[in-house]
Amino acid sequence: DAMVIQNPRYQVTQFGKPVTLSCSQTLNHNVMYWYQQKSSQAPKLLFHYYDKDFNNEADTPDNFQSRRPNTSFCFLDIRSPGLGDAAMYLCATSWRGDQPQHFGDGTRLSIL
Amino acid sequence: GESVGLHLPTLSVQEGDNSIINCAYSNSASDYFIWYKQESGKGPQFIIDIRSNMDKRQGQRVTVLLNKTVKHLSLQIAATQPGDSAVYFCAETPGGTALIFGKGTTLSVSS
Repeated sequence: DAMVIQNPRYQVTQFGKPVTLSCSQTLNHNVMYWYQQKSSQAPKLLFHYYDKDFNNEADTPDNFQSRRPNTSFCFLDIRSPGLGDAAMYLCATSWRGDQPQHFGDGTRLSIL
Repeated sequence: GESVGLHLPTLSVQEGDNSIINCAYSNSASDYFIWYKQESGKGPQFIIDIRSNMDKRQGQRVTVLLNKTVKHLSLQIAATQPGDSAVYFCAETPGGTALIFGKGTTLSVSS
């Protein structure tokens, strides 16, 4: 009954090697979000899509990109991962910005 | 920048006690607040929310209180159980789009 599904749960990549994380939803929500969460820290918003409108947070590095080809799917692309990008990446969805966000269980990214 | 913070990083309680987790927010424009529970290895799970036109909202075993005068939010958990052990985050929405999370409180429940 998972509603926000993230694949894979664990991803290992090499320093500088591009990596893509995926998220899908069965809720048909308008808004999809990507967060980065480092150990013992709160989730930090990277960007979100309100339908097809992309909204980037001011301090999100250029190294991070996102794609939303349709309502159900959203991708996070890290073009050249550095050691500091090792983290849990969380995807979330909501009907609107002022509605509860539903989170997936995240993808834990490790950088070798 | 402005952010939501929590008063205590950890809280330890006995099973059956009531727990109170506090949060201070700084953005007076925030009009929507959420409490999330995050267990190890999982994503945050919605617990309860409250809008700025309310000062109290109750759910099953949980109550959220909002004091806009002092910009304070609290989560009360009644009859705390071992399954309540997790990290709890408050989050605010200043302007109705992105969530800003506080630092989190780790709740430990011992039996």
